[in-house]
Amino acid sequence: GAGVSQSPRYKVAKRGQDVALRCDPISGHVSLFWYQQALGQGPEFLTYFQNEAQLDKSGLPSDRFFAERPEGSVSTLKIQRTQQEDSAVYLCASSRAGVEETQYFGPGTRLLVL
Amino acid sequence: KNEVEQSPQNLTAQEGEFITINCSYSVGISALHWLQQHPGGGIVSLFMLSSGKKKHGRLIATINIQEKHSSLHITASHPRDSAVYICAAQKAGNQFYFGTGTSLTVIP
Repeated sequence: GAGVSQSPRYKVAKRGQDVALRCDPISGHVSLFWYQQALGQGPEFLTYFQNEAQLDKSGLPSDRFFAERPEGSVSTLKIQRTQQEDSAVYLCASSRAGVEETQYFGPGTRLLVL
Repeated sequence: KNEVEQSPQNLTAQEGEFITINCSYSVGISALHWLQQHPGGGIVSLFMLSSGKKKHGRLIATINIQEKHSSLHITASHPRDSAVYICAAQKAGNQFYFGTGTSLTVIP
């Protein structure tokens, strides 16, 4: 595709439910990043993949958050037992090679936990 | 404490005005990013800087590594420039620190 795509665009979950957010990076992009953006705030780094390897997960806020990229392309961010404070926009970005390259952002998934 | 501070938080300008948005950071960085976020959430990466100055169309970004400061300038502003502009400091490796953004409104 022409750009980074994310699905779903909107997700409403009841507190305690598990959710899975998908990111399709630009074809051939090696690096993939996940960010969390709360309302009125800048994005905050969650985790980073280079191909299928998760090189940094220091930004994941708790062990309820889990990300994977098993074949080095599509990535899934999973949140278990969602809490209201998980409500945010989850942004995915990809870049051609390492972290020194320009990142291309997806439209984000807006998650609302009731 | 925010590792990245932006100013101003909100900015309203008349079409045609020259606009400056400032960013100060407190961490050692490998690169400084300027991002543009439109209503609805789409983010576009404008610049990635590690030194000096970059120009793209009416947009100019500068960085002073010694002073840990960067500026984004928009010349001949236009209503379509209305967006939130976010500064992000990238540490060596891949840890990012984002500012809270500057909301720009350009009035025709």
